[in-house]
Amino acid sequence: GENVEQHPSTLSVQEGDSAVIKCTYSDSASNYFPWYKQELGKGPQLIIDIRSNVGEKKDQRIAVTLNKTAKHFSLHITETQPEDSAVYFCAATDSWGKLQFGAGTQVVVTP
Amino acid sequence: EPEVTQTPSHQVTQMGQEVILRCVPISNHLYFYWYRQILGQKVEFLVSFYNNEISEKSEIFDDQFSVERPDGSNFTLKIRSTKLEDSAMYFCASRTGGARAGELFFGEGSRLTVL
Repeated sequence: GENVEQHPSTLSVQEGDSAVIKCTYSDSASNYFPWYKQELGKGPQLIIDIRSNVGEKKDQRIAVTLNKTAKHFSLHITETQPEDSAVYFCAATDSWGKLQFGAGTQVVVTP
Repeated sequence: EPEVTQTPSHQVTQMGQEVILRCVPISNHLYFYWYRQILGQKVEFLVSFYNNEISEKSEIFDDQFSVERPDGSNFTLKIRSTKLEDSAMYFCASRTGGARAGELFFGEGSRLTVL
């Protein structure tokens, strides 16, 4: 089955700097890679996703890159703000939508 | 904006008791899921449900667990005889139809504490 590894487990950045979180996956059949943000006491919320036929996708301050050959994908947050502080999870899935999540990255943005 | 709703938000139960967690998925969604998250750990897949039957389940989802969609709107997770290690946050999720994977919408979760 799919195995998703995520690094780092914690990330502390100064407000305004960039944050990068990296994930690898094992199943070459995976073709959908969402990123979720989880705030304390809440459920995961999708922030951006990418499909395997695309190498990069951007939405304002958030971007995701996918290297299908190397089986890794990354989340980039630019100009970080205090409200970006949360746990971020990468995930991978095949066509049937069963997500396998990474272990999560606790991002702390300090003013 | 449509959302997945879950009840209760928090349940405390004694070991060995039965627990039912309830979810109302988004109304036009066809695929339903339960995930769980033990405190401080990753979100883990439990079970997926489509066309009134389980389509896939993980090794966590043993005989103590069952799911049901009793009335076309609710989607329930039952734990027959709870164990201490069942203490976790349980998330329901749903998505639209079509075999191609798409956004999973998660509920706010039900926190289960087994004493």
